[in-house]
Amino acid sequence: KAGVTQTPRYLIKTRGQQVTLSCSPISGHRSVSWYQQTPGQGLQFLFEYFSETQRNKGNFPGRFSGRQFSNSRSEMNVSTLELGDSALYLCASSWGELASYNEQFFGPGTRLTVL
Amino acid sequence: AQTVTQSQPEMSVQEAETVTLSCTYDTSESNYYLFWYKQPPSRQMILVIRQEAYKQQNATENRFSVNFQKAAKSFSLKISDSQLGDTAMYFCAFMNVAGKSTFGDGTTLTVKP
Repeated sequence: KAGVTQTPRYLIKTRGQQVTLSCSPISGHRSVSWYQQTPGQGLQFLFEYFSETQRNKGNFPGRFSGRQFSNSRSEMNVSTLELGDSALYLCASSWGELASYNEQFFGPGTRLTVL
Repeated sequence: AQTVTQSQPEMSVQEAETVTLSCTYDTSESNYYLFWYKQPPSRQMILVIRQEAYKQQNATENRFSVNFQKAAKSFSLKISDSQLGDTAMYFCAFMNVAGKSTFGDGTTLTVKP
């Protein structure tokens, strides 16, 4: 079974631009969660999508948004990029929603650099 | 809000020896889940072990075991018979029943031959 895939793996953008990251979960998984990993702030939960609905949201500004499609693939969008948005963005999928205590499987991440 | 603290930024251990990674957390909730994740260098994060707060019995997965002290809000990870492949960053994580996660800052573990 293929694992969680994220595209692109690396991305360079400039301040003020917007970016869209993509995550394809493991086949059959219906929950997708997004995390931001930075040296300064560590790993922080962004949001979770389950069956095309946002179930949970972390403490991030509205510039960070996401969506999930009917095939469970998810996209995350960051608008008006700031230097501090430079990070490794991790996606994780699980069979059921996180609130049901389902194990998460992580993707390799997308490394975003904002110049 | 929950907080998770890993007080050891870096640790090292000799191959075949035992090492314990510390984690404490703060929460006012009574039901929650705790996890240890492993992130090897340039590789994907994987789940090592998990514990449901209502279970008193400590979780065990092969060479990995936890010491869960609910009253003390402590959740340490013990790695027995350390192997070179255990070299990684280890994250302690708290998840509330709604599914929201909080991670510690991580402990970088180096296993020396």
